[in-house]
Amino acid sequence: DIQMTQSPSSLSASVGDRVTITCQASQDISNYLNWYQQKPGKAPKLLIYDASNLETGVPSRFSGSGSGTDFTFTISSLQPEDIATYYCQQYDNLHTFGQGTKLEIK
Amino acid sequence: QVQLQESGPGLVKPSETLSLTCTVSGGSISSYYWSWIRQPAGKGLEWIGRIYTSGSTNYNPSLKSRVTMSVDTSKNQFSLKLSSVTAADTAVYYCARDYSSSWYPWGLFDYWGQGTLVTVSS
Repeated sequence: DIQMTQSPSSLSASVGDRVTITCQASQDISNYLNWYQQKPGKAPKLLIYDASNLETGVPSRFSGSGSGTDFTFTISSLQPEDIATYYCQQYDNLHTFGQGTKLEIK
Repeated sequence: QVQLQESGPGLVKPSETLSLTCTVSGGSISSYYWSWIRQPAGKGLEWIGRIYTSGSTNYNPSLKSRVTMSVDTSKNQFSLKLSSVTAADTAVYYCARDYSSSWYPWGLFDYWGQGTLVTVSS
């Protein structure tokens, strides 16, 4: 099974800050990685697919990079509406999610 | 716009079988994979398994012995059965479209239901 290690588990930042979340796969997954945003009481929402492609309608302050085992998700300028939990998800073999990163405003 | 809606009992007794149905509207269920994903309160997401409209399935190895999925294309519905449940199976259960490209059999979740809470308790 492919394990996804996401860090940090929680993060506090100020509006306007650059925020970075990392996700590490237990084996090479090429670029088979997606990122989701989940707000309280809601279903997750796809933000980034294939490691670096922005889903239609998602603001350009969100971005993703990486390949192989190491991936990064970035919010270039944190906005109040970005408060949520973020998950990475691999699809190289079956589906596995990272543990999530809870993002809070400082 | 594709919409998904989970339905089923919100309370299941220990050792019994959890049964949920997801109804797809706004588009055809055909020619896609459809997944079930769950989330215990305050915890992360766990993929349970998926079914193709042909009936072909893939399950999470950790749950495989207890999971059965089925699909009814005439009703635009797919279903989940999880047997021998315990309190550890208490979670919000989501159904989602499991979209894969023509060149790779796995992909992303682009449409989700709102989720339904299932509590396992006597």
